[in-house]
Amino acid sequence: GEDVEQSLFLSVREGDSSVINCTYTDSSSTYLYWYKQEPGAGLQLLTYIFSNMDMKQDQRLTVLLNKKDKHLSLRIADTQTGDSAIYFCAELTEGGNKLTFGTGTQLKVEL
Amino acid sequence: DADVTQTPRNRITKTGKRIMLECSQTKGHDRMYWYRQDPGLGLRLIYYSFDVKDINKGEISDGYSVSRQAQAKFSLSLESAIPNQTALYFCATSDHGSLGEAFFGQGTRLTVV
Repeated sequence: GEDVEQSLFLSVREGDSSVINCTYTDSSSTYLYWYKQEPGAGLQLLTYIFSNMDMKQDQRLTVLLNKKDKHLSLRIADTQTGDSAIYFCAELTEGGNKLTFGTGTQLKVEL
Repeated sequence: DADVTQTPRNRITKTGKRIMLECSQTKGHDRMYWYRQDPGLGLRLIYYSFDVKDINKGEISDGYSVSRQAQAKFSLSLESAIPNQTALYFCATSDHGSLGEAFFGQGTRLTVV
């Protein structure tokens, strides 16, 4: 199967770190992605990680990949109110032909 | 101008009506997709197309059809709309030579009453 699972909600205080988790089932995934959806908008790519990596850092974002457990996480340091959005993980499967999205995690940043 | 444009942005239609959602892109990508978004279910793939003569069913194609009129245009039709097709619909594009990054339109909110 190709189910990609995420928790539905996360609430953090401004300035704290946020960690959004994702589990996937297709071990042949080549790339894994994090997309952000702001209210009333489409999805935009935030970052990605190649399947042979276990960590990638990009400014306030850190992606961790545990291939053995098929677990992907996104850490946002110093979370700001502008980070409030829905975050989707996604995996590229079927030889690079199909992008499967998770259920999405709604991040709420409180003052 | 947006790279991926969807029309209309919002639509209310009655059960049994035929409706078409349109998507056009200026990115020159060969691959185009239609997804629907429902709360708690994420994005589910309806149909996808890798070039003008290629149409593939996604995981939830029943009740939908598509047409790839040109490389830049991909439309989604609901032949006879039903209330459980009420959802947010997204068109997306990608380039086969890329890292799989998909570019999304702003979405069409469809309500079937």
